[in-house]
Parts: sequence; structure tokens; C-alpha cells
Amino acid sequence: AQTVTQSQPEMSVQEAETVTLSCTYDTSESDYYLFWYKQPPSRQMILVIRQEAYKQQNATENRFSVNFQKAAKSFSLKISDSQLGDAAMYFCAYRSATFQGAQKLVFGQGTRLTINP
Amino acid sequence: DGGITQSPKYLFRKEGQNVTLSCEQNLNHDAMYWYRQDPGQGLRLIYYSQIVNDFQKGDIAEGYSVSREKKESFPLTVTSAQKNPTAFYLCASNSGGLTDTQYFGPGTRLTVL
Repeated sequence: AQTVTQSQPEMSVQEAETVTLSCTYDTSESDYYLFWYKQPPSRQMILVIRQEAYKQQNATENRFSVNFQKAAKSFSLKISDSQLGDAAMYFCAYRSATFQGAQKLVFGQGTRLTINP
Repeated sequence: DGGITQSPKYLFRKEGQNVTLSCEQNLNHDAMYWYRQDPGQGLRLIYYSQIVNDFQKGDIAEGYSVSREKKESFPLTVTSAQKNPTAFYLCASNSGGLTDTQYFGPGTRLTVL
């Protein structure tokens, strides 16, 4: 079974600076998807970014980018120019690409990010 | 607006009572999911459904039941057999395509007194 590990329960960063959240995963599959979700105090889960394992290029969405290291099974999230609205719990998630239809997500434990003004 | 709705936002029940959480989507998605979130933990899958009248157990299905009689609706019943039902419950859906992404509802906070 696949597992996802986020080793940083809490992180903090000064506003406008850059922060990197870590995620590692364990799988025997070669084709899969990885995601970062954000959960603000409202508790709504919001997709931040996704990465297809077959793509070597790291995904980027505005101030959010990932460092995907397939061999090391590492998938970190970098947030540039941190803003107060980035404060949230961040979850890393894995999904197999083997099957269509229902797609079970496996989540890490989460990292609570605090932005200091 | 298209989206996923969950009701109620907060729910209080006495121990030993069954309770049903509602999840509705108007995104025309085939697949729907129920996750449970406890403090300090990530989301864990309870049940999922790929199509109407079909559903599968997730990792923590014991003490829960679901139905999928309509494409739009996937209610979750927390039964008295669930030993520790107090948690935050999230519903999600996606269209089922291989490159698809799951989208989540706003969640229901269940407290059993």
C-alpha cells in the first residue's frame, strides 16, 4: 500500500519570503499523480497544484511550484512571496494512475503553515 | 453555481444514535467519496462510489454505511457501531477520467455527546 509522509507538522515564514514544505511517499507503481491541497481555517480543501509522475518538468502555479524527485520519491512545495492568505494546513496526496473511475487519494498528515507579518 | 454541498455544517448527536450526513453535487461527476479527518491527521477514506448503485469500502469503513441512489447524492450514515464518530467529514467528487482531480465540499463537523 502507498504511504505519504509529511515530516514537518508546523512551519512558519515571514511575509514575502519563501518557504518549502516537504513530502515523501512510498509506492511500487511507476505511474501516479501527486497533489498539494490547502486547508485554510474554513476547512475547505482547495487544490493548489498537481504533478503527473511521467512528466519530468516540475509543475508551477503562480507563486506555487514543486520539486518532484521521482527516484527519491520526494515532492516538496515551494511558496514564493508568502502572503497572509497562504496560512493554512497543507496536505500532500498520492493517487495511482492505473485505473480510471474512482481514484482513491492517500494523504499525508499535513503541515500547518503560519505566515508572520 | 456548480459545486459540492454538505449539510449540516455542524451536527450534534447523542451516543448510540445513528446520524446521516448529506452530500450533493451538481457537477455531473460520476465518482464520489467520503473522508474522515481527525486532529493532527490527514484525511482517511471511508467509502467511495464510481457509479450509481455501486460503492466500495475505503480504509476505515467499519461503523459507516452509504447509498448511491442518484448520481448527485452520496449520503453517509454514521451508525452506533462507530466507536469514535466525533470528527470532521469531507465529501469529494470527480468525473472519473484518468487525469481528473477530486474536488471537495465544505465539510460537516460531527460531535457525539
